[in-house]
Amino acid sequence: DTAVSQTPKYLVTQMGNDKSIKCEQNLGHDTMYWYKQDSKKFLKIMFSYNNKELIINETVPNRFSPKSPDKAHLNLHINSLELGDSAVYFCASSHGLAGLFNEQFFGPGTRLTVL
Amino acid sequence: AQKITQTQPGMFVQEKEAVTLDCTYDTSDQSYGLFWYKQPSSGEMIFLIYQGSYDEQNATEGRYSLNFQKARKSANLVISASQLGDSAMYFCAMRERGNFNKFYFGSGTKLNVKP
Repeated sequence: DTAVSQTPKYLVTQMGNDKSIKCEQNLGHDTMYWYKQDSKKFLKIMFSYNNKELIINETVPNRFSPKSPDKAHLNLHINSLELGDSAVYFCASSHGLAGLFNEQFFGPGTRLTVL
Repeated sequence: AQKITQTQPGMFVQEKEAVTLDCTYDTSDQSYGLFWYKQPSSGEMIFLIYQGSYDEQNATEGRYSLNFQKARKSANLVISASQLGDSAMYFCAMRERGNFNKFYFGSGTKLNVKP
């Protein structure tokens, strides 16, 4: 059973387009995250949601809009894609405070290429 | 200040030898967790091991152990008997009780295991 799933795995698109990435977790976690990993492998947190509520928004351009319809899903919509948005985007989930010493589980990543 | 510092961008180790990957952290929180993840070339993030701030014993998981030195604020990963499949990026991460919705990641260490 897949714990954290993301679709699509690959996304190739033109500059200026709008695209979405979907994420689902079946672990019963109450906190979900989006990370961006650049070509140097640096993992940068973008957003964190706890019980569907936005908790962290790390100075991400407002072209990026996360949406959490329920605790098990966190989607990422990107408007007006730019070349610099090319990266691997990871969704992750974890328990909240009750699971402070529990790890984060990551999805397989979505490789976004903007041409 | 950086919350997590990994000072070794790249390392080489001979197969079957042990290797230590360094990680230092910065927190004033008394309650925190430290985590190590492996990212092979295939891209997925694999959780390896964790250490809680109150744990007195160093964590171990198979060939992985965490050398936790609280006073020095270091949480080094030790891989014993390196295998070719250990070649990957390794990330150290921390989660603080006072900011539990966020995991802080280091910049990673690329480990190459030589036959």
